[in-house]
This record gives sequence, structure tokens and C-alpha cells, in this order.
Amino acid sequence: DAGVIQSPRHEVTEMGQEVTLRCKPISGHDYLFWYRQTMMRGLELLIYFNNNVPIDDSGMPEDRFSAKMPNASFSTLKIQPSEPRDSAVYFCASSYRGSYNEQFFGPGTRLTVL
Amino acid sequence: AQSVTQPDIHITVSEGASLELRCNYSYGATPYLFWYVQSPGQGLQLLLKYFSGDTLVQGIKGFEAEFKRSQSSFNLRKPSVHWSDAAEYFCAVASSGTYKYIFGTGTRLKVLA
Repeated sequence: DAGVIQSPRHEVTEMGQEVTLRCKPISGHDYLFWYRQTMMRGLELLIYFNNNVPIDDSGMPEDRFSAKMPNASFSTLKIQPSEPRDSAVYFCASSYRGSYNEQFFGPGTRLTVL
Repeated sequence: AQSVTQPDIHITVSEGASLELRCNYSYGATPYLFWYVQSPGQGLQLLLKYFSGDTLVQGIKGFEAEFKRSQSSFNLRKPSVHWSDAAEYFCAVASSGTYKYIFGTGTRLKVLA
């Protein structure tokens, strides 16, 4: 199994630009999570999906952030417009019913907004 | 509200020494508890989990953790630390039937040769 795949691994952009992060969950998993990790705030859950439907987006910081899951094998997290304070590592994780809540994490995308 | 506390931000141990990382949680019912490890530049890897049964759980890489309901704790232990164990360790709690984790702030482990 390839595990959770995230792309790109590193992204450097300028303030005001649109950023799109991508995630492919493990095949057969029906839950998908987006996290943000910073030194100041640690690991924060941004949003999670079940069967491609957003269940809880209470962690999305503001309207500049949006996430979609058009099908079971692909999700995007978009930031538009990006700001320097969005610089962080963004993780995607997936899980499946029956795994006792275990989440499988991708390698992360390190985003730097200049 | 659920919460997870990892009181130690940094811990330094010598290679070969024993290790205990503390985790306290606040939750009304029996939670699902997890320990994850994050090596530099990597994602999180599951070390072990507890959801019911034997309160002493064994994980990968020689780690174990003990669930103590009376103390609301789920401390991670290893009898002999290896240099490759240097990483950041996260405790997490989830309620049964939901898939939403609450993570602790992490403990960064440094191993001295």
C-alpha cells in the first residue's frame, strides 16, 4: 500500500497567491482529515470528511481556506489569497470505520508564504 | 470538553536509559487513546493505541503504554532508548464513534550518545 500521498511536498509562494494542496487517501478509507502544524499552535484539525462529505469544518481558520473532496481518492485544500501567517506544514490523514479511529498520516506539505 | 496534556515539552535522556513520557487526558467516558511519533521532516506514525481490554498495550519499536483510568493518564514507556528514538511524540484522544482527534502539544525527545 502506498500510504497517504500528498503533493507538493514543499510549496513556496508569495503573499496574495492562490495555493492548492492535494491529498490522495489510502484506498478503501472513508474518512479524510486535514491538519495544520505550526510551532505556536501545534497540530490543529482544520476539516474532516466522511464518504466525501465535509463533517466538521470548525477548524478552518477563515474564508480564505476551502477544502473539497470530489471523490473517494482525492481531496484539495485551497488557500486564496495566501498570507505569511499561513506558513505551516499541512498534513492529510485518512481512516476507515473499523480501524478504531486510527489515522494514517501523509508526509505533509511544507508551505512558505513570503 | 476533551483535552490532552503533555506536561513535558522537552526531555533529554542518555542512550540506553529508560524513558517515560507523560500524557493526561480529560474525557467523560472511556476514550480511545493513541501515541504517535514524528521524526524530523516526516509525518506522524502510530506507535500504539488503546480502546479497551488490557490496560498495558504494546506498540512498535519496543514502546508500551499503560492506561490508568484513576489518574486519567496514558504514559508512554520504553525500557532502553536508542539514538533513533529522537523525535517528537504526540498523545491523542478520540471519543468512541467519532473520528476527531484531540492532540497534545507534543514532547520532543533528545537522546544523548
